[in-house]
Amino acid sequence: AQSVTQPDIHITVSEGASLELRCNYSYGATPYLFWYVQSPGQGLQLLLKYFSGDTLVQGIKGFEAEFKRSQSSFNLRKPSVHWSDAAEYFCAVGGLTAGNKLTFGGGTRVLVKP
Amino acid sequence: GAVVSQHPSRVICKSGTSVKIECRSLDFQATTMFWYRQFPKQSLMLMATSNEGSKATYEQGVEKDKFLINHASLTLSTLTVTSAHPEDSSFYICSAGLGGGTSYNEQFFGPGTRLTVL
Repeated sequence: AQSVTQPDIHITVSEGASLELRCNYSYGATPYLFWYVQSPGQGLQLLLKYFSGDTLVQGIKGFEAEFKRSQSSFNLRKPSVHWSDAAEYFCAVGGLTAGNKLTFGGGTRVLVKP
Repeated sequence: GAVVSQHPSRVICKSGTSVKIECRSLDFQATTMFWYRQFPKQSLMLMATSNEGSKATYEQGVEKDKFLINHASLTLSTLTVTSAHPEDSSFYICSAGLGGGTSYNEQFFGPGTRLTVL
């Protein structure tokens, strides 16, 4: 069975500081990996995805993520956080062998201090 | 491209009534649509997978008689919460799959529907 773990439930970061959100997955075949952001009361917005190729993926809003197969990780990073980045972030894994189902991690809530 | 809409965005109903939520893929045809449920401060949990023209496949623990899913066309799936009760209050999110066959069926998400049952 596939699973996703986001070890950090909450992260507080100062505006302008760097941010890294951890994601570890379990999947028995080639994983398709995603990061989404959700603001309160809103739907999901796709930040970036990894299907294949270059393991460092660039996304929207200045975010990037690195796929490390040996560590089963897909951590999200941003060099300099803006107050508008305060939100909930979800990592998800899917794949062809899972009937295209997505499994989401528990989420990480990011708070940005001025 | 790949836009998915949901209607309504917010609904309040009385206990015991039924509520229908629509999910539409606006600019693509979706053989497969997915329905998720999200409780406050929690993650998304897959409720069911619906394929156009066939019965939905429900995840373990989801009552199929309570959450009726219809996928009558390649652009529309509906979720009906029957005899809703306060514990059904939640944020319901749909997604539509683009792709399929031998390629990955990437999901595109709707904006969600907030259901409040009084």
